[in-house]
Amino acid sequence: AQKITQTQPGMFVQEKEAVTLDCTYDTSDPSYGLFWYKQPSSGEMIFLIYQGSYDQQNATEGRYSLNFQKARKSANLVISASQLGDSAMYFCAMSSNSGYALNFGKGTSLLVTP
Amino acid sequence: GAVVSQHPSWVICKSGTSVKIECRSLDFQATTMFWYRQFPKQSLMLMATSNEGSKATYEQGVEKDKFLINHASLTLSTLTVTSAHPEDSSFYICSARDVVQSADTQYFGPGTRLTVL
Repeated sequence: AQKITQTQPGMFVQEKEAVTLDCTYDTSDPSYGLFWYKQPSSGEMIFLIYQGSYDQQNATEGRYSLNFQKARKSANLVISASQLGDSAMYFCAMSSNSGYALNFGKGTSLLVTP
Repeated sequence: GAVVSQHPSWVICKSGTSVKIECRSLDFQATTMFWYRQFPKQSLMLMATSNEGSKATYEQGVEKDKFLINHASLTLSTLTVTSAHPEDSSFYICSARDVVQSADTQYFGPGTRLTVL
């Protein structure tokens, strides 16, 4: 069974600063995918970044980067140069080849302050 | 990117009635769609996996007779909440997997907020 853990229920960061959102996972699947989604108050799930378990390099997408440490089973999201619009819930999720459905962590609420 | 729509975006109904929620992939074909439920201030929980042309696979604890799923075409899956009760009030979100793209490409709909009075 898969398990996704996000230990930070809430985080504050000042505008223009970088912030790291933690995510650890546990799985017995040899092949899996790790995702980060942003959910603003409107409820839509916005895809941010993806990391495959066999990818050698850490994924990057604009201001988002994923710090993937396979041995530690962690997949932390780094947001650089935070913007006020980054305030939202952030979910870490995992998929496996057995079904492709996503298993989500409990989420981290990020508040960016001026 | 690919677009997934949901209809309605919100619905209020009386206890005991049935509500149908549609999930459509607008510009791609999706053999597999997923239905999630999110209670306030909680995470998304997978309810079921919907496969085109076959029966849905339900997660443990989800009543298949209460949450009817139909995936009649490659672009449409429907979730019907039968005999809805106040405890079914939640945010229902679907996602669709693009058959052409990488296996890990999933696109989410905007969600449907259901309130049962």
